[in-house]
Amino acid sequence: LAKTTQPISMDSYEGQEVNITCSHNNIATNDYITWYQQFPSQGPRFIIQGYKTKVTNEVASLFIPADRKSSTLSLPRVSLSDTAVYYCLVGPRDSGAGSYQLTFGKGTKLSVIP
Amino acid sequence: DGGITQSPKYLFRKEGQNVTLSCEQNLNHDAMYWYRQDPGQGLRLIYYSQIVNDFQKGDIAEGYSVSREKKESFPLTVTSAQKNPTAFYLCASSRDIITDTQYFGPGTRLTVL
Repeated sequence: LAKTTQPISMDSYEGQEVNITCSHNNIATNDYITWYQQFPSQGPRFIIQGYKTKVTNEVASLFIPADRKSSTLSLPRVSLSDTAVYYCLVGPRDSGAGSYQLTFGKGTKLSVIP
Repeated sequence: DGGITQSPKYLFRKEGQNVTLSCEQNLNHDAMYWYRQDPGQGLRLIYYSQIVNDFQKGDIAEGYSVSREKKESFPLTVTSAQKNPTAFYLCASSRDIITDTQYFGPGTRLTVL
């Protein structure tokens, strides 16, 4: 099972760049790394996905080292509206016989301070 | 307007009663998922379905049941066998289970009294 580990919480001032790292030491060859954002009492929202190296979109960048045992979500110039919980998802892990395992981390609660 | 809907947003039930949570999507996605979230916790997978008439147990399937008779619908039944059913339930869908991102519904908060 591709267990993930993230910091429980982080604080940042508005306008700063925030980097959240997720450890996934036993990631499998076929696993992708996906990050989601969740506001209270809402469903998570997709931010970015990657397999290796660096991926960038209009809201974030994802850095994945060559060994893929960790990944870092980078949010440029955060604002108050970026205050949320950020989840790292690794998978799906093929469990055989047509079944898969999807494992969300416990998430990192990011608080952006004015 | 495409998306994934869950109803109702809040649900109250008495202990010992079965309750069914609705999840509908009009995104033409093959894969659908049910997650449970407890306060301050991450998401735990209950069941998922890769295609119509097929579904697989997730990490915490005990006390839950699902059906996938139509591509658009993936209802979750919380049975009386579920020891601690009060939680926030999230449904999601994706084009496929391998690489595609999941789109989540707004969630149903179930409270068992």
